[in-house]
Amino acid sequence: AQSVTQLDSQVPVFEEAPVELRCNYSSSVSVYLFWYVQYPNQGLQLLLKYLSGSTLVKGINGFEAEFNKSQTSFHLRKPSVHISDTAEYFCAVIPTNSGYSTLTFGKGTMLLVSP
Amino acid sequence: DAGVTQSPTHLIKTRGQQVTLRCSPKSGHDTVSWYQQALGQGPQFIFQYYEEEERQRGNFPDRFSGHQFPNYSSELNVNALLLGDSALYLCASSLGGREGGYTFGSGTRLTVV
Repeated sequence: AQSVTQLDSQVPVFEEAPVELRCNYSSSVSVYLFWYVQYPNQGLQLLLKYLSGSTLVKGINGFEAEFNKSQTSFHLRKPSVHISDTAEYFCAVIPTNSGYSTLTFGKGTMLLVSP
Repeated sequence: DAGVTQSPTHLIKTRGQQVTLRCSPKSGHDTVSWYQQALGQGPQFIFQYYEEEERQRGNFPDRFSGHQFPNYSSELNVNALLLGDSALYLCASSLGGREGGYTFGSGTRLTVV
Protein backbone atom coordinates (compact mmCIF):
# COMPACT_ATOMS: atom_id res chain seq x y z
CA ALA A 1 0.00 0.00 0.00
CA GLN A 2 1.05 3.58 -0.57
CA SER A 3 0.56 6.71 1.48
CA VAL A 4 1.22 10.37 0.77
CA THR A 5 1.91 13.06 3.35
CA GLN A 6 1.63 16.74 2.56
CA LEU A 7 3.33 18.42 5.42
CA ASP A 8 1.53 21.76 5.29
CA SER A 9 -2.23 22.12 5.20
CA GLN A 10 -1.96 25.80 4.33
CA VAL A 11 0.85 27.96 2.91
CA PRO A 12 0.36 31.76 2.84
CA VAL A 13 2.69 33.74 0.62
CA PHE A 14 2.87 37.20 -0.92
CA GLU A 15 2.57 37.72 -4.64
CA GLU A 16 5.89 37.38 -6.54
CA ALA A 17 7.50 35.46 -3.67
CA PRO A 18 8.84 31.92 -4.18
CA VAL A 19 6.97 28.96 -2.74
CA GLU A 20 7.62 25.30 -1.98
CA LEU A 21 4.87 22.81 -1.21
CA ARG A 22 6.17 19.66 0.45
CA CYS A 23 5.21 16.08 -0.32
CA ASN A 24 6.56 12.85 1.11
CA TYR A 25 5.41 9.37 0.24
CA SER A 26 5.68 5.86 1.59
CA SER A 27 5.63 2.78 -0.60
CA SER A 28 7.15 -0.69 -0.64
CA VAL A 29 7.43 -0.50 -4.45
CA SER A 30 8.50 2.13 -6.94
CA VAL A 31 5.91 4.76 -7.75
CA TYR A 32 5.07 7.37 -10.32
CA LEU A 33 4.45 10.79 -8.78
CA PHE A 34 2.02 13.57 -9.64
CA TRP A 35 0.94 17.03 -8.60
CA TYR A 36 -2.62 18.17 -9.24
CA VAL A 37 -4.21 21.58 -8.68
CA GLN A 38 -7.84 22.20 -7.75
CA TYR A 39 -9.32 25.66 -8.16
CA PRO A 40 -12.48 26.49 -6.18
CA ASN A 41 -15.51 24.51 -7.28
CA GLN A 42 -13.55 22.70 -9.96
CA GLY A 43 -12.07 19.27 -10.56
CA LEU A 44 -8.40 18.35 -10.55
CA GLN A 45 -5.93 19.51 -13.19
CA LEU A 46 -2.58 17.81 -13.72
CA LEU A 47 0.34 20.16 -13.05
CA LEU A 48 3.21 17.76 -13.65
CA LYS A 49 4.31 14.17 -13.26
CA TYR A 50 7.46 12.12 -12.72
CA LEU A 51 7.64 8.78 -14.50
CA SER A 52 11.38 8.30 -15.05
CA GLY A 53 14.52 10.09 -16.16
CA SER A 54 15.54 13.52 -14.93
CA THR A 55 14.48 14.06 -11.35
CA LEU A 56 13.61 17.71 -12.03
CA VAL A 57 10.26 17.91 -13.72
CA LYS A 58 8.74 21.04 -15.21
CA GLY A 59 5.00 21.50 -15.44
CA ILE A 60 2.40 24.02 -16.44
CA ASN A 61 2.05 27.56 -15.09
CA GLY A 62 5.75 27.79 -14.17
CA PHE A 63 5.71 25.02 -11.56
CA GLU A 64 8.45 22.44 -11.16
CA ALA A 65 9.09 19.54 -8.81
CA GLU A 66 12.09 17.47 -7.83
CA PHE A 67 11.98 13.77 -7.11
CA ASN A 68 14.30 12.65 -4.32
CA LYS A 69 14.26 8.88 -4.02
CA SER A 70 16.43 8.67 -0.91
CA GLN A 71 14.17 11.08 0.97
CA THR A 72 10.99 9.77 -0.71
CA SER A 73 9.98 13.32 -1.47
CA PHE A 74 8.50 15.18 -4.43
CA HIS A 75 8.34 18.84 -3.45
CA LEU A 76 6.62 21.38 -5.71
CA ARG A 77 8.18 24.78 -6.30
CA LYS A 78 7.50 28.02 -8.11
CA PRO A 79 9.99 30.91 -8.16
CA SER A 80 7.37 33.68 -8.27
CA VAL A 81 3.69 33.16 -7.50
CA HIS A 82 0.67 35.05 -8.75
CA ILE A 83 -2.68 35.74 -7.15
CA SER A 84 -4.17 33.30 -9.65
CA ASP A 85 -2.10 30.46 -8.15
CA THR A 86 -4.36 30.49 -5.10
CA ALA A 87 -5.77 26.96 -5.06
CA GLU A 88 -5.54 23.55 -3.39
CA TYR A 89 -2.59 21.39 -4.46
CA PHE A 90 -2.55 17.62 -4.21
CA CYS A 91 0.37 15.24 -4.41
CA ALA A 92 -0.43 11.71 -5.61
CA VAL A 93 1.30 8.41 -6.42
CA ILE A 94 0.68 5.24 -8.44
CA PRO A 95 2.78 2.07 -8.07
CA THR A 96 4.78 1.24 -11.16
CA ASN A 97 4.50 -2.51 -10.87
CA SER A 98 0.77 -2.97 -11.29
CA GLY A 99 -0.91 -3.63 -14.60
CA TYR A 100 -3.55 -1.17 -13.57
CA SER A 101 -3.88 0.93 -10.51
CA THR A 102 -5.27 4.09 -9.09
CA LEU A 103 -4.01 7.32 -7.62
CA THR A 104 -3.39 7.67 -3.89
CA PHE A 105 -3.64 11.31 -2.83
CA GLY A 106 -2.35 13.37 0.03
CA LYS A 107 -4.72 15.58 2.00
CA GLY A 108 -3.77 18.66 0.05
CA THR A 109 -2.06 22.00 0.67
CA MET A 110 -3.99 25.23 0.31
CA LEU A 111 -1.78 27.90 -1.30
CA LEU A 112 -2.98 31.38 -0.37
CA VAL A 113 -1.36 34.18 -2.38
CA SER A 114 -1.99 37.72 -1.18
CA PRO A 115 -1.00 41.07 -2.75
CA ASP B 1 -12.23 18.11 -27.36
CA ALA B 2 -14.72 17.47 -24.58
CA GLY B 3 -13.17 16.46 -21.31
CA VAL B 4 -14.90 14.49 -18.57
CA THR B 5 -18.51 15.49 -18.03
CA GLN B 6 -20.31 14.86 -14.76
CA SER B 7 -23.95 15.38 -13.89
CA PRO B 8 -25.57 16.79 -11.94
CA THR B 9 -23.21 19.45 -10.60
CA HIS B 10 -25.02 19.74 -7.28
CA LEU B 11 -27.76 17.86 -5.50
CA ILE B 12 -29.31 17.60 -2.07
CA LYS B 13 -30.67 14.34 -0.73
CA THR B 14 -32.24 13.19 2.53
CA ARG B 15 -30.75 10.50 4.76
CA GLY B 16 -31.82 7.05 3.67
CA GLN B 17 -32.44 8.02 0.08
CA GLN B 18 -30.60 6.69 -2.95
CA VAL B 19 -28.63 8.72 -5.49
CA THR B 20 -27.18 8.16 -8.96
CA LEU B 21 -24.31 10.23 -10.32
CA ARG B 22 -23.26 10.15 -13.96
CA CYS B 23 -19.98 10.49 -15.82
CA SER B 24 -19.07 10.70 -19.50
CA PRO B 25 -15.37 10.06 -20.04
CA LYS B 26 -13.04 12.00 -22.26
CA SER B 27 -13.22 10.96 -25.89
CA GLY B 28 -10.94 7.97 -26.49
CA HIS B 29 -10.77 6.93 -22.83
CA ASP B 30 -12.03 3.50 -21.81
CA THR B 31 -11.48 3.44 -18.04
CA VAL B 32 -13.47 5.33 -15.43
CA SER B 33 -12.52 5.80 -11.79
CA TRP B 34 -14.63 7.37 -9.06
CA TYR B 35 -13.30 9.30 -6.08
CA GLN B 36 -14.92 10.79 -2.99
CA GLN B 37 -13.49 14.06 -1.70
CA ALA B 38 -14.76 15.07 1.72
CA LEU B 39 -14.36 18.68 2.79
CA GLY B 40 -10.73 19.46 3.56
CA GLN B 41 -9.50 16.05 2.45
CA GLY B 42 -7.81 14.56 -0.58
CA PRO B 43 -9.79 12.39 -2.97
CA GLN B 44 -10.36 8.80 -1.83
CA PHE B 45 -10.64 6.03 -4.42
CA ILE B 46 -14.02 4.33 -4.59
CA PHE B 47 -13.76 2.00 -7.60
CA GLN B 48 -12.62 1.70 -11.18
CA TYR B 49 -14.49 0.35 -14.21
CA TYR B 50 -13.02 -1.12 -17.36
CA GLU B 51 -14.81 -3.11 -20.06
CA GLU B 52 -18.05 -2.75 -18.12
CA GLU B 53 -16.65 -4.52 -15.07
CA GLU B 54 -15.48 -3.29 -11.69
CA ARG B 55 -11.75 -3.82 -11.90
CA GLN B 56 -10.64 -2.50 -8.54
CA ARG B 57 -12.34 -1.23 -5.41
CA GLY B 58 -11.29 0.96 -2.53
CA ASN B 59 -12.38 0.75 1.08
CA PHE B 60 -16.03 1.69 0.63
CA PRO B 61 -19.12 -0.23 1.76
CA ASP B 62 -21.42 -2.13 -0.57
CA ARG B 63 -23.84 0.78 -0.45
CA PHE B 64 -21.59 2.23 -3.11
CA SER B 65 -22.04 0.54 -6.46
CA GLY B 66 -21.43 1.41 -10.06
CA HIS B 67 -21.89 0.56 -13.64
CA GLN B 68 -20.12 1.16 -16.93
CA PHE B 69 -21.98 1.18 -20.21
CA PRO B 70 -20.78 0.03 -23.65
CA ASN B 71 -20.04 3.66 -24.60
CA TYR B 72 -17.69 3.81 -21.54
CA SER B 73 -19.89 6.21 -19.59
CA SER B 74 -20.43 5.33 -15.97
CA GLU B 75 -22.78 5.72 -13.04
CA LEU B 76 -22.12 5.78 -9.33
CA ASN B 77 -24.99 4.70 -7.10
CA VAL B 78 -25.16 5.21 -3.36
CA ASN B 79 -27.94 3.59 -1.33
CA ALA B 80 -29.17 4.38 2.16
CA LEU B 81 -27.44 7.73 2.23
CA LEU B 82 -25.75 8.85 5.43
CA LEU B 83 -24.81 12.37 6.47
CA GLY B 84 -21.18 11.30 6.10
CA ASP B 85 -21.69 10.67 2.40
CA SER B 86 -21.80 14.42 1.84
CA ALA B 87 -18.81 15.15 -0.39
CA LEU B 88 -17.58 16.09 -3.82
CA TYR B 89 -17.64 13.03 -6.07
CA LEU B 90 -15.05 13.10 -8.81
CA CYS B 91 -14.94 11.01 -11.94
CA ALA B 92 -11.65 10.45 -13.72
CA SER B 93 -11.17 8.80 -17.07
CA SER B 94 -8.08 7.29 -18.65
CA LEU B 95 -6.92 5.04 -21.44
CA GLY B 96 -5.72 2.00 -19.59
CA GLY B 97 -3.77 2.85 -16.63
CA ARG B 98 -1.20 4.04 -14.41
CA GLU B 99 1.10 6.55 -16.06
CA GLY B 100 -0.98 9.51 -15.08
CA GLY B 101 -3.22 9.92 -18.05
CA TYR B 102 -6.16 10.66 -15.79
CA THR B 103 -8.56 13.45 -16.75
CA PHE B 104 -10.88 14.62 -13.99
CA GLY B 105 -14.34 16.05 -14.23
CA SER B 106 -15.50 19.02 -12.19
CA GLY B 107 -17.36 16.76 -9.81
CA THR B 108 -20.81 16.42 -8.30
CA ARG B 109 -21.35 18.10 -4.93
CA LEU B 110 -23.67 15.84 -2.89
CA THR B 111 -25.21 17.17 0.29
CA VAL B 112 -27.11 14.77 2.54
CA VAL B 113 -29.46 16.38 5.06
